[in-house]
Amino acid sequence: QTVVTQEPSLTVSPGGTVTLTCASSTGAVTSGHSPNWFQQKPGQAPRALIYSTSKKHPWTPARFSGSLLGDKAALTLSGVQPEDEADYYCLLYYGGARVFGGGTRLTVL
Amino acid sequence: EVQLLESGGGLVQPGGSLRLSCAASGFTFTTYAMSWVRQAPGKGLEWVSFISVTGGTTFYADSVKGRFTISRDNSKNTLYLQMNSLRDEDTAIYYCAKDVGIIEVVATDYWGQGTLVTVSS
Repeated sequence: QTVVTQEPSLTVSPGGTVTLTCASSTGAVTSGHSPNWFQQKPGQAPRALIYSTSKKHPWTPARFSGSLLGDKAALTLSGVQPEDEADYYCLLYYGGARVFGGGTRLTVL
Repeated sequence: EVQLLESGGGLVQPGGSLRLSCAASGFTFTTYAMSWVRQAPGKGLEWVSFISVTGGTTFYADSVKGRFTISRDNSKNTLYLQMNSLRDEDTAIYYCAKDVGIIEVVATDYWGQGTLVTVSS
């Protein structure tokens, strides 16, 4: 069974920069896994942020960026705002099936 | 405006069945693949199933394979999830999500607000 691993929690100061990562139990994450990133705030449905590793949806704030970092997918927030406090999930594609990571709870403090 | 409205959730006993619906509007439903994703109370997201534009291609998570069936009625702009042999661990909010519709791109953009399924005796 494929497992996708994210940091359980991270804390960042307002205005700071933070990087969330997404690892695959099958090996290095590549563009072929089509990494997607989602943001979810309490009581709300998830909101799509990034697809195809680094592409942004029309509503994605400029301070969010996606990349491959070593053997992982990464989501970087630059100039963090208080409203960025949320849970963040990555999603990887495995030739049909898709698997979410366990999520990262980002605290802005 | 893209809208996805899930319905059909509720309380069901273990071993029972339920059919979820997702009514789509604000876009040309017949040209977009769709997915179901669920979230157990206090837990993370779990991808459940995918269906292609025509319905000819479907994929399922191992946890629901053989028990759940995804389908769509393009004449009604509606996505379905037939859930059989339900277990306690199927208790979750079920979301439908629209694909971005770009060839060879695996991604969803719009999500519904979800419908709660509770499996309990």
